[in-house]
Amino acid sequence: GAGVSQSPSNKVTEKGKDVELRCDPISGHTALYWYRQSLGQGLEFLIYFQGNSAPDKSGLPSDRFSAERTGGSVSTLTIQRTQQEDSAVYLCASSGGELAGDTQYFGPGTRLTVL
Amino acid sequence: EDQVTQSPEALRLQEGESSSLNCSYTVSGLRGLFWYRQDPGKGPEFLFTLYSAGEEKEKERLKATLTKKESFLHITAPKPEDSATYLCAPAISGGYNKLIFGAGTRLAVHP
Repeated sequence: GAGVSQSPSNKVTEKGKDVELRCDPISGHTALYWYRQSLGQGLEFLIYFQGNSAPDKSGLPSDRFSAERTGGSVSTLTIQRTQQEDSAVYLCASSGGELAGDTQYFGPGTRLTVL
Repeated sequence: EDQVTQSPEALRLQEGESSSLNCSYTVSGLRGLFWYRQDPGKGPEFLFTLYSAGEEKEKERLKATLTKKESFLHITAPKPEDSATYLCAPAISGGYNKLIFGAGTRLAVHP
């Protein structure tokens, strides 16, 4: 597609439930990033995927958070047993297109609300 | 520890009133510094990348500059459509462009 897409755009869930957030990167981009943006805060790095290499998971805040990237394209961020402090906007970015160098291009985000 | 501080947190300007936003950083192994614009409810939109001290880049009413410890985003004769949050993000070394984001400056330009 023309840009990074994310789904759903909004997700409301109850505390303790699991959620899955999806990211479709720009076609041809080999690198994919997940960030979290809490109200009034800067973007917080969560995880980085590059091709078939082992991901950099150093930003995941707890073992309730996990992510996978299938076939080097679509990625899913899973949050298990959600807590109210998980409420935030989750942003996905991709980079590495032929002309784009290392610039990260962001999707519109998924707003997660945990009640 | 890598740190990025943006100031001011919020800025209100009249249309046509020029100003500057500041990004101060302390990071290990700077690979470049990125500026993004973020509108409410949307993802950040790429503006500029600066790679070395003394470098400048311009786009319409925006000009970004870089020193060894700071970057400035100068806005000349702003218009209401320039209202947004501006994010600064140094990229640190480590095998890929790992971005460390500041909290942003919320700019409001009034007619």
